[in-house]
Amino acid sequence: EVQLVESGGGLVQPGGSLRLSCEVSGFTFSSYWMTWVRQAPGKGLEWVANIKEDESERYYVDSVKGRFTISRDNAKNSLYLQMNSLRAEDTAVYYCARDFALDYWGQGTLVTVSS
Amino acid sequence: SYELTQPPSVSVAPGQTARITCSGDALPKQYAYWYQQKPGQAPILVIYKDTERPSGIPERFSGSSSGTTVTLTISGVQAEDEADYYCQSADSSALYRVFGGGTKLTVL
Repeated sequence: EVQLVESGGGLVQPGGSLRLSCEVSGFTFSSYWMTWVRQAPGKGLEWVANIKEDESERYYVDSVKGRFTISRDNAKNSLYLQMNSLRAEDTAVYYCARDFALDYWGQGTLVTVSS
Repeated sequence: SYELTQPPSVSVAPGQTARITCSGDALPKQYAYWYQQKPGQAPILVIYKDTERPSGIPERFSGSSSGTTVTLTISGVQAEDEADYYCQSADSSALYRVFGGGTKLTVL
């Protein structure tokens, strides 16, 4: 059974940092691109970033470039999102998903940026 | 930046056919994907590569493509199909993903 389990969300002050994790099981993690998607409260889905199997390619939505870093550890079957200089508009549920079809998703982890 | 355009809402009576469109300039070159999301749940893939249906998705869900528009069709809509639906694709460079704004399907 495929499982993606996000963790690391929480309440953080504006300007702060947070690191999200996504632990994967049920498929060969090292053979797939992976993606982060977020959803602000009451809003639609927004693609955030994705990463190639060997980390040689990473792409970001413009609004997070220079602040967020996507990474992975294939030995640990884990995907990460390091989020720095957080803003109120980054408040959202963050999902990890298997690229390219986004055929498997985690349950999401809530990040709240507020003072 | 690249955008995909969906109607905000579609309403249909049970048993009728619902069609949800998604428009974008790069759609003739890039595949589209469709997701269903119910309140409080993660999205579920219902159509991939414009027209393919994942295993476990009912046959009443189908996808089509014509020029810069892709369409999700739900035939014989059931009450359980009430949800938000999102299209997803890539820009012309194929490097950056984008979601449509979402369409709320209401079953009357």
